[in-house]
Amino acid sequence: AQTVTQSQPEMSVQEAETVTLSCTYDTSESDYYLFWYKQPPSRQMILVIRQEAYKQQNATENRFSVNFQKAAKSFSLKISDSQLGDAAMYFCAYRSSIRGSTLGRLYFGRGTQLTVWP
Amino acid sequence: EAQVTQNPRYLITVTGKKLTVTCSQNMNHEYMSWYRQDPGLGLRQIYYSMNVEVTDKGDVPEGYKVSRKEKRNFPLILESPSPNQTSLYFCASSLYGQGYNEQFFGPGTRLTVL
Repeated sequence: AQTVTQSQPEMSVQEAETVTLSCTYDTSESDYYLFWYKQPPSRQMILVIRQEAYKQQNATENRFSVNFQKAAKSFSLKISDSQLGDAAMYFCAYRSSIRGSTLGRLYFGRGTQLTVWP
Repeated sequence: EAQVTQNPRYLITVTGKKLTVTCSQNMNHEYMSWYRQDPGLGLRQIYYSMNVEVTDKGDVPEGYKVSRKEKRNFPLILESPSPNQTSLYFCASSLYGQGYNEQFFGPGTRLTVL
């Protein structure tokens, strides 16, 4: 099974500042997909951003961007101009591209709780 | 509105009393999955389904059953619930199992087994 590690159980940031959440993963596959999900207090899982491993260019979605380092198996999330509404639990997830018993499964990290201070 | 719905949203039950959590999606997705979320453990897959009548175990299938008789529905069945199944449960769906497809999550079901 794939392992996804989020080494920061909690992070905090001042409103309007930038914060980076870390994620590393363990895999022997060369092609796969990586995701960041946000879970606000409502508990809804919301996709923030995704990255295909064969693409070298880092994905960007408005204030959210990733730093994808394939050789290092690292996939960090950067939130710029943090807003109060960004406060949530953030999960990093891995998905295999290989057909088989793990097809489609998302492997999640344990999450990072982000607090945004006004 | 494209969505995944789950019912009930909250459930308190007692050990051994069979229960079913329903999941339905209106996006004609082939792939559906159940996850459980426990504090400090993230989300772990229970069962998944690639299409109608095709289901398979995830990482933590013990104590659960599923069925996929229709494309839109994927109920989770606990035949004899136990306290260690107290958790937050999510149903998710995506167009296909492989690829870049986004998994859409339901709102979650908070289950407490006494």
